[in-house]
Amino acid sequence: RKEVEQDPGPFNVPEGATVAFNCTYSNSASQSFFWYRQDCRKEPKLLMSVYSSGNEDGRFTAQLNRASQYISLLIRDSKLSDSATYLCVVNTGQAGTALIFGKGTTLSVSS
Amino acid sequence: DAGITQSPRHKVTETGTPVTLRCHQTENHRYMYWYRQDPGHGLRLIHYSYGVKDTDKGEVSDGYSVSRSKTEDFLLTLESATSSQTSVYFCARNRVDIGNGNQPQHFGDGTRLSIL
Repeated sequence: RKEVEQDPGPFNVPEGATVAFNCTYSNSASQSFFWYRQDCRKEPKLLMSVYSSGNEDGRFTAQLNRASQYISLLIRDSKLSDSATYLCVVNTGQAGTALIFGKGTTLSVSS
Repeated sequence: DAGITQSPRHKVTETGTPVTLRCHQTENHRYMYWYRQDPGHGLRLIHYSYGVKDTDKGEVSDGYSVSRSKTEDFLLTLESATSSQTSVYFCARNRVDIGNGNQPQHFGDGTRLSIL
């Protein structure tokens, strides 16, 4: 059962590039969506929540398409420090339970 | 600082021995979680707690038990460790103390456990 699917990559891009990641989820009852960032051998950290109308945080833009059940993350003007694994995260829609994590998409930004 | 710490950070032990991992939070939040992360699997929920003495199973709970005798501490125990339990273990708490699955979570630094 693959509840949250992501392209594992790696995505190799030069500094300054724009890169986009997509994620699909299977549970149509899912209510909340997030992107996390995880650096090598570190804990996942919340990058941003994803809202129905789409939202932006600096160079990062997240979009949600409920009809097609996918989420996207766009990174503009990539920096070396953006190199990490990006986890797509969806809640199950069931009260009291935890989040479902995708396996992550690896981004490598080079100079 | 997410206000959540794990101990130990690293542990190497032998098959068949009991192992206890500790998660400590400073926020007094009700919801806490234990995950394991393995290559090719991503993060998977082991157990979670929604209050003192209130716990429930996650996706991969077999071989694990948990206890929560105080709000701030959530313990994960491997009663008899097996090599398949070699993994990185993360503890987490809800970012905001609201009791539903709609909250993002803050994670501890993780515990790297190797079972030989």
